[in-house]
Amino acid sequence: GESVGLHLPTLSVQEGDNSIINCAYSNSASDYFIWYKQESGKGPQFIIDIRSNMDKRQGQRVTVLLNKTVKHLSLQIAATQPGDSAVYFCAEKSWGKFQFGAGTQVVVTP
Amino acid sequence: DADVTQTPRNRITKTGKRIMLECSQTKGHDRMYWYRQDPGLGLRLIYYSFDVKDINKGEISDGYSVSRQAQAKFSLSLESAIPNQTALYFCATSGTDGETQYFGPGTRLLVL
Repeated sequence: GESVGLHLPTLSVQEGDNSIINCAYSNSASDYFIWYKQESGKGPQFIIDIRSNMDKRQGQRVTVLLNKTVKHLSLQIAATQPGDSAVYFCAEKSWGKFQFGAGTQVVVTP
Repeated sequence: DADVTQTPRNRITKTGKRIMLECSQTKGHDRMYWYRQDPGLGLRLIYYSFDVKDINKGEISDGYSVSRQAQAKFSLSLESAIPNQTALYFCATSGTDGETQYFGPGTRLLVL
């Protein structure tokens, strides 16, 4: 999951396995959510988004799940590949403004 | 070619110096943003602009100023740099829905 501080939580995943990255968001009024991928030395890259009137959305190899009851968002990556190694963070939008999580470091091992 | 570019990519400066970070975009977006990223923390909004004549403070604007020279250009200035402004700075753009933001590659700034 996400945390604030100097060290990001790390998820170590074997190549080919599925990854699940979690995010606890803060504002029950948030109506739009995004998952970003940030590779070392690069800017954040959009992966997938979901609106608050949905609880699941699928993309290519990725699925986002939204549980508004407990204010929880997750990103599932199917058949994780070495190129998936990166920091993943969520963003929530409320009243037109975004708040970003610190992220989770995903390390894909052979 | 990248849609959002930032210059410089890396910068080392001394306390008290004035520096400018520049951002250009070819996405044709009206909205542009400056964020800073610190180790272990989420992105924090410094300033944003919804069009050429619009400038708004974000959550951490103290010590920074911006200029929106054109639709495609948005620069960030540190008037008198201090060490706690050492961070990774990102520019981003979005369409008028203000939703999906497209980020530049970042500028790594070190203030000594």
